[in-house]
Amino acid sequence: EAQVTQNPRYLITVTGKKLTVTCSQNMNHEYMSWYRQDPGLGLRQIYYSMNVEVTDKGDVPEGYKVSRKEKRNFPLILESPSPNQTSLYFCASSFGGRGLAEAFFGQGTRLTVV
Amino acid sequence: LAKTTQPISMDSYEGQEVNITCSHNNIATNDYITWYQQFPSQGPRFIIQGYKTKVTNEVASLFIPADRKSSTLSLPRVSLSDTAVYYCLVGDRYYGNKLVFGAGTILRVKS
Repeated sequence: EAQVTQNPRYLITVTGKKLTVTCSQNMNHEYMSWYRQDPGLGLRQIYYSMNVEVTDKGDVPEGYKVSRKEKRNFPLILESPSPNQTSLYFCASSFGGRGLAEAFFGQGTRLTVV
Repeated sequence: LAKTTQPISMDSYEGQEVNITCSHNNIATNDYITWYQQFPSQGPRFIIQGYKTKVTNEVASLFIPADRKSSTLSLPRVSLSDTAVYYCLVGDRYYGNKLVFGAGTILRVKS
C-alpha cells in the first residue's frame, strides 16, 4: 500500500531536548516536504526536498533542520524545541520532484513542548 | 502563486450535491487547480486536479470555466463522512515547489 509513515504520532517533550520526527515513503517519490498546522494559521511549509541531498527552506524554517540522505526518508529535527513549536506536523511526498503533483500526506505527529 | 478565495463554511444535508467555488483571479497560464480534503487531525488527501473545462473522478467533479478565474468542486450525494475541510490550491504542477494551503472551506453535512 502506498503510504507516508510518520513517527511518532504523539510526542510530549520538554524545552531544549533534541528530538527527531521520522518520515518515510514507499512510493519512490523525489519530492518530500514538512508542514506544520496551527489553529487559525493553516498549513505552513517548513522545509522541502526536491531529491536526495537537495533541501530548501519553506515559509517557517526557523528552529528546524532536515536531511535527505535517502530517497525514502526525510526526518525533521528540532535541535532545541521550544513551546512555540507545539503543533501538528505533517510530512508529504509527491512524484517527479514537483510540489504540485498529487501529494500524499502522513498521518501527522502531534508535538507538545512544555 | 495565485491567491485563492473560498467560502469559510458551508452546510448541507445528506444526499445533496454540494458545490464549493474557489476564486483565483490571478491564475497563471501554467497553473493547475487542485483540491484537497482534510479530516480533523489527519493529513490532507488529494481529491482532484484540473487545468480547464471539466474533470471527473470517482469522488468528485471539477468545473473550470474558460477564463479559469474560478473553479467549482462538486461532490455528488454527500454523506456525513464528507464533513471535512476542503482546500483549493493553484500553482504550477510541474515547477511549483510547494503546496500553499489557504483557510479552506469547512463543509458540514447534516442528517
